[in-house]
Amino acid sequence: QKEVEQNSGPLSVPEGAIASLNCTYSDRGSQSFFWYRQYSGKSPELIMSIYSNGDKEDGRFTAQLNKASQYVSLLIRDSQPSDSATYLCAVNYLSGGGADGLTFGKGTHLIIQP
Amino acid sequence: SAVISQKPSRDICQRGTSLTIQCQVDSQVTMMFWYRQQPGQSLTLIATANQGSEATYESGFVIDKFPISRPNLTFSTLTVSNMSPEDSSIYLCSVVDTDTQYFGPGTRLTVL
Repeated sequence: QKEVEQNSGPLSVPEGAIASLNCTYSDRGSQSFFWYRQYSGKSPELIMSIYSNGDKEDGRFTAQLNKASQYVSLLIRDSQPSDSATYLCAVNYLSGGGADGLTFGKGTHLIIQP
Repeated sequence: SAVISQKPSRDICQRGTSLTIQCQVDSQVTMMFWYRQQPGQSLTLIATANQGSEATYESGFVIDKFPISRPNLTFSTLTVSNMSPEDSSIYLCSVVDTDTQYFGPGTRLTVL
């Protein structure tokens, strides 16, 4: 059974601070990891993907992967009110990114306080 | 990235009826997926739809309830059959483009 666990929050962070979102997964065979952002009433949009252990940075976003601990995280630097959304962690068992359906966590509701 | 559209965007249906949701992509894609997002919940994969083969369903989802068609590389349909209020959800199609999954805007279904 493939499971993805996230703290549902809400996680409240002051504007300008770093928001840290965490995710653990159960299947050691998982190869690809994704963070999606979902605004209320909208469909998920991809923020970051990560496939190898370590950090991957893209602008204000950094994804971190530790396969030994089965842990993936997302850091958002200089948080803005527009970052307020639900962040979904998603895991794909097969390599090659989207070659298989994704297993999603329940999402963390992030609130950036002005 | 691929541009995905879905029809209808929303619908209100009576229990016992069926609704067919269409998903159109602006480019040819091999992999297409259908997900469900129940109120306040995350996304759950219903099935994988590949052109030229039967859809592959996840545990808890069956073809009689959620028949899927994939007639070509740019189009798919999902039918929600014999609906009950528990089927009230957002249904999303997604496609794989350059190893990334992108989602359509979703179809918001309410069953009375």
